[in-house]
Amino acid sequence: ETGVTQTPRHLVMGMTNKKSLKCEQHLGHNAMYWYKQSAKKPLELMFVYSLEERVENNSVPSRFSPECPNSSHLFLHLHTLQPEDSALYLCASSQVVIRIAGVSNGELFFGEGSRLTVL
Amino acid sequence: GENVEQHPSTLSVQEGDSAVIKCTYSDSASNYFPWYKQELGKGPQLIIDIRSNVGEKKDQRIAVTLNKTAKHFSLHITETQPEDSAVYFCAANPRSGSARQLTFGSGTQLTVLP
Repeated sequence: ETGVTQTPRHLVMGMTNKKSLKCEQHLGHNAMYWYKQSAKKPLELMFVYSLEERVENNSVPSRFSPECPNSSHLFLHLHTLQPEDSALYLCASSQVVIRIAGVSNGELFFGEGSRLTVL
Repeated sequence: GENVEQHPSTLSVQEGDSAVIKCTYSDSASNYFPWYKQELGKGPQLIIDIRSNVGEKKDQRIAVTLNKTAKHFSLHITETQPEDSAVYFCAANPRSGSARQLTFGSGTQLTVLP
């Protein structure tokens, strides 16, 4: 397989369920990201794992919990979600390069997304 | 923080015509401006980008222009084809290449009519 692979592609869950989204990248990149995509809204960065550092958007609720066991795998654990959390969740990876002038990152490579519906 | 406004939200053009999508940004420190294309059922894919040290960049039928003084940049697609139909996102970044601070626009649904 090549690129960024996300599973499952579709997920329907109740508000009391616990589920996880999985992402795997086969590009040898050293950074992985979770984005939330809602209709008519900008892509919202949720979490970043880059250079062994985790960066998160402080507005993301604690019912979303990321896990990055290694540079190729990324999970998003979901629990007690709300209907407004229904969206397309996109995983991405990139190659971060440290230069004298600062951190430089190339292109973001996105997976096809996991469509989440919370009932 | 950075704020990126994108217009229009929807755009329909006849095949063969040109399409222009415009974005404005708020942070004068932004110096990297990528454009992503998202086809139905797929994730966004980078199609072109521009850095603040140039005013225009072309790649076949696609071009991007940047006006740093006015803080706006545009995507131009010439000789549009049905396969250009997709959602296009602009983005801006205050530090060259740091995706952690990449701020996206809300997207433009482009439809190319045959």
